[in-house]
Order: sequence, then structure tokens, then C-alpha cells
Amino acid sequence: NAGVMQNPRHLVRRRGQEARLRCSPMKGHSHVYWYRQLPEEGLKFMVYLQKENIIDESGMPKERFSAEFPKEGPSILRIQQVVRGDSAAYFCASSPGMVGTQYFGPGTRLTVL
Amino acid sequence: KNEVEQSPQNLTAQEGEFITINCSYSVGISALHWLQQHPGGGIVSLFMLSSGKKKHGRLIATINIQEKHSSLHITASHPRDSAVYICAVNSNTGNQFYFGTGTSLTVIP
Repeated sequence: NAGVMQNPRHLVRRRGQEARLRCSPMKGHSHVYWYRQLPEEGLKFMVYLQKENIIDESGMPKERFSAEFPKEGPSILRIQQVVRGDSAAYFCASSPGMVGTQYFGPGTRLTVL
Repeated sequence: KNEVEQSPQNLTAQEGEFITINCSYSVGISALHWLQQHPGGGIVSLFMLSSGKKKHGRLIATINIQEKHSSLHITASHPRDSAVYICAVNSNTGNQFYFGTGTSLTVIP
């Protein structure tokens, strides 16, 4: 039973480019969470999704960031027109229900040059 | 003020020592989580609690709902326990998930 998969593990982008981060939840999990960890800071909640629905995006920056979790395929966190301040580790977690143990992916480390 | 406060921020212990990490929170919660983040960055969920106490191997987690406080204990600490331990809570008024800033533990052989 594979764990939560994230890819790519490392992503380098130049300012103004787009970054797409993918998260495949554990089998049977329909709840996905995205978190961001800025350098030398703690984890921050970004968005909570269920299949085809955004349940809570209160932690997402208002511009340039979007997330989806389609019926088929992985969840995608998309950052348009990246800036240096977007450099961070982005973690995805999945759970079988709304309140339950969350299983974390290995993270995607985004570096914006 | 953060919704979740942890102490201490940094902790160094000798191998074999009993370790306690504390977490206080200020919001109503449906569950509290203890996470472990290793130097490589990977995050592992250690415990999810809504009441009482849980034990897994040398790790024990307790929660006092009335006092809004949780503790993580490590018995017979070992250098491989060196990591950042993070307390996080599910808010009971929405889907928010609040994190403490973490406790960096170093266990010296």
C-alpha cells in the first residue's frame, strides 16, 4: 500500500514561471490537504480538498495560487508567476475522513531563482 | 499570538533521558496531532488524540481538554529520536489546521 506520493521532489523555477505540484493520496483516501513550510518557519495550512471540491482554502494566498483535486488523477497545487518568496517546501497530506490521522507526502521543495 | 504554542523550542538530551515536550492551544479542537519531522524534511504522524492518553513504543502522548494542553513524552531517548516534533490541532469550528512552531530535539549519545 503505497504512501502519499508527491512529485516532483525538487522543482526549480525562474521568476514569472508557473509551478505545478502534484499529490497522489493514499489508496482509499479522498481528503487532501496542502501545507507550506517557508525556510526557518513552521508549517502553515493552505487548502483542504475532497474529490472535485475545495472545502477550505482560507490559507491560500488570494492571487496566483490555486488547487484542484479532480475525480481522476492527483491533486494539483498550481502557482502562477512565481516569485522568490514562493520558495518553500510544499507538503501534501491525505486522510480517509475529515478528522483523522493525516499521512504526509515527502514534500516538494520549490526554489525560485 | 499563535493558536498553538510549544515548549521548549529547542531541547538537548543525553541518550536514555526521559523527555517531555509541551503543547498548549487556544482554540476549540476536534483533535490534536503530534508530528515528527526528520532532518531530511519528511513528516510522520505520531499520534492523533481527542482525549486521554496514547502509547506507541517509547512514545506517550497525553491530552487534557479542560486545560487545553498536551504533552509528548519519550522514554529512554535515543539519538535516532533527534528530530523536530510538531503539535497541530484540528479546529472544531471549521476545517482549519493550526501548527505549533515545533520543538527541535537533539539526543546526544
